Amino acid sequence: GESVGLHLPTLSVQEGDNSIINCAYSNSASDYFIWYKQESGKGPQFIIDIRSNMDKRQGQRVTVLLNKTVKHLSLQIAATQPGDSAVYFCAENGGWDSNYKLTFGKGTLLTVNP
Amino acid sequence: DAMVIQNPRYQVTQFGKPVTLSCSQTLNHNVMYWYQQKSSQAPKLLFHYYDKDFNNEADTPDNFQSRRPNTSFCFLDIRSPGLGDAAMYLCATSRERADTQYFGPGTRLTVL
Repeated sequence: GESVGLHLPTLSVQEGDNSIINCAYSNSASDYFIWYKQESGKGPQFIIDIRSNMDKRQGQRVTVLLNKTVKHLSLQIAATQPGDSAVYFCAENGGWDSNYKLTFGKGTLLTVNP
Repeated sequence: DAMVIQNPRYQVTQFGKPVTLSCSQTLNHNVMYWYQQKSSQAPKLLFHYYDKDFNNEADTPDNFQSRRPNTSFCFLDIRSPGLGDAAMYLCATSRERADTQYFGPGTRLTVL
């Protein structure tokens, strides 16, 4: 079946380094992708999104890259801070075919070491 | 501030005792969703309301029901909670179904 998955379940980085979290998707009909950050005991927090007609989008300290050829999505966090420690989920909106259902990846736990 | 609010944040119930979780939103969004999230897992969609239209996921147990009396409020009713229903329940809203979903803080349900 269609799925969204993550290459790495955990990622540990040093404070100040850049972080890259990867995500693979398989539904070629998906046209909208979102990254969420979820801290322990809290709901997912929207970080950044990208439509399928773009290949890059930048926010504050974050960049999302979309490679439709290989169905790959990545989240780059610049100058990672301890407050960035959380689980990061990629999610795809499957569009009309899937009744616009949001499918989440498994999540990557990012740990930032001081 | 506009937001998605869930009450209570923590709910303890007994096995088989009905429980209702509440979600409200000040975003005036058309769509409201309920997700179940178990430890170390991704959120799993239970159902959603597009305006007044209820859309149930095929694998959502009959034990779970929902009500949306108006645009701002949506309720999750668990008729006979089992131990396996202990989880974080997340409410989310979006302006339209193709738009970004914004999540509330969640309700942590414990079943004794």
